[in-house]
Amino acid sequence: NAGVMQNPRHLVRRRGQEARLRCSPMKGHSHVYWYRQLPEEGLKFMVYLQKENIIDESGMPKERFSAEFPKEGPSILRIQQVVRGDSAAYFCASSPLPDNTEAFFGQGTRLTVV
Amino acid sequence: QQQVKQSPQSLIVQKGGISIINCAYENTAFDYFPWYQQFPGKGPALLIAIRPDVSEKKEGRFTISFNKSAKQFSLHIMDSQPGDSATYFCAASQAQKLVFGQGTRLTINP
Repeated sequence: NAGVMQNPRHLVRRRGQEARLRCSPMKGHSHVYWYRQLPEEGLKFMVYLQKENIIDESGMPKERFSAEFPKEGPSILRIQQVVRGDSAAYFCASSPLPDNTEAFFGQGTRLTVV
Repeated sequence: QQQVKQSPQSLIVQKGGISIINCAYENTAFDYFPWYQQFPGKGPALLIAIRPDVSEKKEGRFTISFNKSAKQFSLHIMDSQPGDSATYFCAASQAQKLVFGQGTRLTINP
């Protein structure tokens, strides 16, 4: 059973470009969470999705950021018009239940905005 | 607003010693308290977790102590080994999201 798969592992974007981060949850997991980790800091919750639904996006910046988890395919975190402050590691976690007690994290996507 | 405070930021322990990391929280609605271990370039991995109706939980060399009245919990690593060198995060669960502490970089000297 493969773990949570995130790709790409590293992503470099110029200011103003779009970044698309993908997360394939573990088999049988229909709950996906996205977190952002700035250097030397803990992870900060961004959004919680179930298949085709955004359940809690209280941690998402109001502009430029969006997330989806379609019926088929991976969950996507999309950042439009990236700025240097978006440089961070973005982690996805998945769980089989509507809570996070059995959440498993992927290895993350490290976004660098130049 | 910082809801989970973790200390110390960094910790150096000799091999075979006890590593202790502390966390404090404010929100009494938290109902699940996990600890995660993270190696460089990797995602956090669940180490051990506790519910507030239990004061202590032990799994191998790892123990969580939980003090509900003080709103504090701690991770103890017994017989610390160089392979334990990593960053450790405490967290607390609020609804479906985890609130993380700032992390402790643990170094075990051989």
